[in-house]
Amino acid sequence: TQLLEQSPQFLSIQEGENLTVYCNSSSVFSSLQWYRQEPGEGPVLLVTVVTGGEVKKLKRLTFQFGDARKDSSLHITAAQPGDTGLYLCAGVIGTASKLTFGTGTRLQVTL
Amino acid sequence: DAGVIQSPRHEVTEMGQEVTLRCKPISGHNSLFWYRQTMMRGLELLIYFNNNVPIDDSGMPEDRFSAKMPNASFSTLKIQPSEPRDSAVYFCASFSHNTGELFFGEGSRLTVL
Repeated sequence: TQLLEQSPQFLSIQEGENLTVYCNSSSVFSSLQWYRQEPGEGPVLLVTVVTGGEVKKLKRLTFQFGDARKDSSLHITAAQPGDTGLYLCAGVIGTASKLTFGTGTRLQVTL
Repeated sequence: DAGVIQSPRHEVTEMGQEVTLRCKPISGHNSLFWYRQTMMRGLELLIYFNNNVPIDDSGMPEDRFSAKMPNASFSTLKIQPSEPRDSAVYFCASFSHNTGELFFGEGSRLTVL
C-alpha cells in the first residue's frame, strides 16, 4: 500500500498549457515537500509546506497544502519544456526525520 | 561543497555476485538515507541513519541487503548475493536539519544479469 498517491501518473502537454498535479494520502503529515527529478539525476527540492492551507509560489509553480494536511497540489502555469521531469511529493509524519515519497508524476512538455 | 557523492555510477554484475555501493554525505549533515528507485515501485526508503546509528531499516528488502555507516563521512550499502530483481537505481541522500531538505546524490544504477 502506497502512503502517498500522486495523479496523474503521466502527463504530456504542449508548451504554454497549465496543469495541476495532485498528491493524496489518508495520513496527516507534519510537513510535505515537492521534488523534481531529471533523467540521470537525483530529486531536487522545490518547496516545503508546513501549515494546513498554506500556499507557496515559485515563479510559475504554485504549491498548496490541504487544510487537513493530508493532501497537496502543484499547479504549473504556462508550462515550458524545461519543466519536463518527474515530480515527487514527499511527506513527514510526526517528528520523525523519515521522508516517504509519493508514486510520482512524469511530466513532458513539448514545443 | 561537492554535494552527496555516490560510487559507482553504474554497475553491471552477474547474479550471485556481491555488490557494494558507497556514499559520502555532505559534511555537517548528520542524517543519511538510502533509497531504491524502480519504474514499478518508485522511490522506496531502504534505511536511514542518524549520527551514524541505523534508526529504521524496515525498508531493507531481505537479509541479502546490509548497510553500514562507520563514520559521519561514509556509508555503504551491500547486496550479497545479488539477484536480477535488485536491478534499480540506488540513491543516497543526506539531510540538513537546518533547512529540512534532503540532498540526493546522482545515484548508482545497478544491473544484475
